[in-house]
Amino acid sequence: ELKVEQNPLFLSMQEGKNYTIYCNYSTTSDRLYWYRQDPGKSLESLFVLLSNGAVKQEGRLMASLDTKARLSTLHITAAVHDLSATYFCAVEDAGGTSYGKLTFGQGTILTVHP
Amino acid sequence: KAGVTQTPRYLIKTRGQQVTLSCSPISGHRSVSWYQQTPGQGLQFLFEYFSETQRNKGNFPGRFSGRQFSNSRSEMNVSTLELGDSALYLCASHRSGGYGYTFGSGTRLTVV
Repeated sequence: ELKVEQNPLFLSMQEGKNYTIYCNYSTTSDRLYWYRQDPGKSLESLFVLLSNGAVKQEGRLMASLDTKARLSTLHITAAVHDLSATYFCAVEDAGGTSYGKLTFGQGTILTVHP
Repeated sequence: KAGVTQTPRYLIKTRGQQVTLSCSPISGHRSVSWYQQTPGQGLQFLFEYFSETQRNKGNFPGRFSGRQFSNSRSEMNVSTLELGDSALYLCASHRSGGYGYTFGSGTRLTVV
């Protein structure tokens, strides 16, 4: 059974600082997703990573994927308050019967302080 | 293009009742997945439908069921509601053969 683990689960950052969220998964996967969720809201897609070595950047966020290590990272550069949210990674199983199923990490609650 | 539409946004039900939630996917997307989000269990996969057929199912009791119509709209039903069914229910729209899942705004169900 595919398991996805994120760390840290809670992250309190100062504005302007850098930090990385880690996402480890237990079995071979084709695709890894990063989502953002604001309190009481739905999931907003941030990145889709489809291959080993994939790197994507959007603003202050950069995501990467190492399929050999079964590890994805979400790096935050020069954090600002607007980045405060919960961040989830989700993995789509490489198995042929994984239709529509994403397995999510526990989520990382990010709080950016002035 | 229109996103994923879920109705209703909020529901309050009494234990023992049943509830039906609706999800309209992005036009052209034929796959709809459902997820339950709770503070204790996180985001858990309920089931997925494609072309009116359930292709995948998570580990939920039989009280949770769903269906999909010919226009790809999907409904999920929970019968004999329990307090623990209180959650945010999210559906995701997916273009089969592609990648990327777009989530709807969710239905917040409260069971009292």
